[in-house]
Formats: sequence, structure tokens, C-alpha cells
Amino acid sequence: GENVEQHPSTLSVQEGDSAVIKCTYSDSASNYFPWYKQELGKGPQLIIDIRSNVGEKKDQRIAVTLNKTAKHFSLHITETQPEDSAVYFCAASIGTYKYIFGTGTRLKVLA
Amino acid sequence: NAGVMQNPRHLVRRRGQEARLRCSPMKGHSHVYWYRQLPEEGLKFMVYLQKENIIDESGMPKERFSAEFPKEGPSILRIQQVVRGDSAAYFCASSALSGSTDTQYFGPGTRLTVL
Repeated sequence: GENVEQHPSTLSVQEGDSAVIKCTYSDSASNYFPWYKQELGKGPQLIIDIRSNVGEKKDQRIAVTLNKTAKHFSLHITETQPEDSAVYFCAASIGTYKYIFGTGTRLKVLA
Repeated sequence: NAGVMQNPRHLVRRRGQEARLRCSPMKGHSHVYWYRQLPEEGLKFMVYLQKENIIDESGMPKERFSAEFPKEGPSILRIQQVVRGDSAAYFCASSALSGSTDTQYFGPGTRLTVL
């Protein structure tokens, strides 16, 4: 069946360093890839997304890259800050409305 | 513009009781999705509804679980005769469009604990 693999499961970086989270998806028809940030006790919050007709998208310190051939997409956070500490989930669309989520990456930014 | 609202935020039930979780989508959104999240895991799709219609319930257990999105009022996820394994966080998301993959916005979740 369809699945999304996400790595690493935990990531610790020093404040100011960059963080990279990688996802691989299995359905070649997937065309939409959102990233969500989830803080403790809260719901997932959309932070950036990318569609299959674009290879890269950037929003301030956050960027996402997509390689459709390899079925990889990655989240890049530059100049990390303590408030970036959270669990990050990638997702890939299946059909027109369903998302398959990765298992999450717990990011810790050390001050 | 209010986001997706869910209530209650926390719900405690004893085994065998019923749990009712409510979700009001964002203003202007007519599509609702329910997901379940177990501790330290990702979100698993349960059901997709439009007003008065269940579009896809492939992720929802056939027994004890049901969902509705009436013409008026919030969407309801109902779990009958709860068991300990139902303990999880249940998230609702909403979107505006169908026909092409649209962004889903999530509510704060309902954390269900079954004693």
C-alpha cells in the first residue's frame, strides 16, 4: 500500500544551525506535499507545502525541495531557534483528498 | 477568521461508554476529515465527509465508530462502547475545495482517555 517514510525520527541541533528532515513517498501519482509542525498538546499547523509542478519553495527560514523522479521531498530550516522545537510531519497526497503522513521528526533546538 | 474548532479538548470515558467528538470547520470550508493519532505516531486517516455525505470512511473501524456532518451544526465522530485501545488524540481538519488536492487545516484535537 501507499506509505511515507520520514527520517530522522529525532534531531537535535544547536541554535543557529540548520535542520533537514527527509521524506520518501511510494505513490508516483502524489502531487501535493504539505509539512506540519505539531507542538505538545496542540494540533498540526501547516508551515509550508509544495505541489508537484515545482521543485523548490521557500518562506523565510523554511524551504521545501521536491525530487519527483526519486520520490523524495525535504524540509530545510535555517538559523534554527528554540521555538522551532516541535514534532514535524510530512505528508503526501493520495488521490484528490487523502493524505498519508510520515511518522514524525522530533526536533530539539539547543540554546 | 476562526480556525477549526474541536470540543471537548479532553474527554475521559469508562469502558463501555459512548464518546462524542465535535468539529466545526473553518468558515467557508465544507469538507471535513477525521484523523486518529496514537502517542509517538503520525496521523491516520479515518473518514472524509461533506455536508450530509460520507465520501470515504475507509480508515474508520466498521464496528462502534460512526461519523456525520449534518446540514446544520458541527461534524460528529461517535465511538460507541469505548475500549482502552480507543484512547488517542482525534483531530479534525477542514478544507475548502474538492476536485484537486486542497490544503487541510487542523483543529486542536480531542484527547480521549478510556479508563
